[in-house]
Amino acid sequence: KNEVEQSPQNLTAQEGEFITINCSYSVGISALHWLQQHPGGGIVSLFMLSSGKKKHGRLIATINIQEKHSSLHITASHPRDSAVYICAVLSNFGNEKLTFGTGTRLTIIP
Amino acid sequence: AAGVIQSPRHLIKEKRETATLKCYPIPRHDTVYWYQQGPGQDPQFLISFYEKMQSDKGSIPDRFSAQQFSDYHSELNMSSLELGDSALYFCASSLGSETNYGYTFGSGTRLTVV
Repeated sequence: KNEVEQSPQNLTAQEGEFITINCSYSVGISALHWLQQHPGGGIVSLFMLSSGKKKHGRLIATINIQEKHSSLHITASHPRDSAVYICAVLSNFGNEKLTFGTGTRLTIIP
Repeated sequence: AAGVIQSPRHLIKEKRETATLKCYPIPRHDTVYWYQQGPGQDPQFLISFYEKMQSDKGSIPDRFSAQQFSDYHSELNMSSLELGDSALYFCASSLGSETNYGYTFGSGTRLTVV
């Protein structure tokens, strides 16, 4: 069982739909990152969370530390949101390397 | 704003050749992390450096070595390249290794071994 699991693995939606991507983890963490990876590979850090909720534009990320669960929401989705979204956690064991989820491939159809 | 710079962006090498990938962190960031992402795979942690010292080591083959220099840039040296080394190699930088400062990722170097 992976330490970080995401669902769904693939998601196709129509432009304008509200998107939710989920991340569950099994280890104690000090922070959780949501990352966006476009075709070609470059990774962009969207959010880093240790509690509560963050919002940036049409993106919202929430985390529930007790339930070991985080969600990434995209409102008014657009074709340019099509990418792989990766959840990565920073464990609280002292080292600082990230453990990555398997990613969710999002495709927004015009 | 300055970002994490990786060079080269693309690299094609033949089997058994060597390759050197470079990562320039954000100014004032003192920690660099290297990750390898094979086709269709999750990124895998290779190695990290804090203040020019190796701070953690992951699944890095013995054929690979890395170091961090006095200006905090890092180089990943890969020798005796194999076809399976073809991957996207990206680095990330952060400030400090004791607390959960945010990461900033580079755009990656895509290495193709033929």
